[in-house]
Amino acid sequence: ETGVTQTPRHLVMGMTNKKSLKCEQHLGHNAMYWYKQSAKKPLELMFVYNFKEQTENNSVPSRFSPECPNSSHLFLHLHTLQPEDSALYLCASSQGGLGNQPQHFGDGTRLSIL
Amino acid sequence: AQRVTQPEKLLSVFKGAPVELKCNYSYSGSPELFWYVQYSRQRLQLLLRHISRESIKGFTADLNKGETSFHLKKPFAQEEDSAMYYCAARRGGSNYKLTFGKGTLLTVNP
Repeated sequence: ETGVTQTPRHLVMGMTNKKSLKCEQHLGHNAMYWYKQSAKKPLELMFVYNFKEQTENNSVPSRFSPECPNSSHLFLHLHTLQPEDSALYLCASSQGGLGNQPQHFGDGTRLSIL
Repeated sequence: AQRVTQPEKLLSVFKGAPVELKCNYSYSGSPELFWYVQYSRQRLQLLLRHISRESIKGFTADLNKGETSFHLKKPFAQEEDSAMYYCAARRGGSNYKLTFGKGTLLTVNP
């Protein structure tokens, strides 16, 4: 059982579709993150949740809507995306609040917008 | 502004040669520095962090506050070290936000 699991691994959707990305962690962590990895760009932090509360929104467009129902699950709801949103979306978790704990990453969901 | 710079996009060495992947940071205070690695078709994973002063898979990295650098080094590269390497930093304490460099693709030739 891997620590951080993301589904689906690949997603192709049209600009008018609504879909959701799912992340689940089995590490007992209390902080979870969404990152976007585009070609030619460094990893970009999108959202941070700590104890189910959103603590950071890095100026992400409203067409991306995160949801954290509990400390083990994180969703990213997608609606009316643009072609430039095609990227690898990575979920991560950490033992937040302790300052020195590294983040553990999932395999990512590769999203393609037609 | 908080910034992590990896000046080399590509680095190619021969097996057995020393390798150094450069990383410079621009952070106030005492940042925490990390190296992440992504092997082909695998997830991004933590390689090492400066606070633990460890050696993983023969790699070491020393934090040089004077030069604001955190270069990753290995004295004898192996073919299995070929991967994408990301340097990352975050403000020390309870700030969670990691800033990543753009990554360096290391290729170790036989």
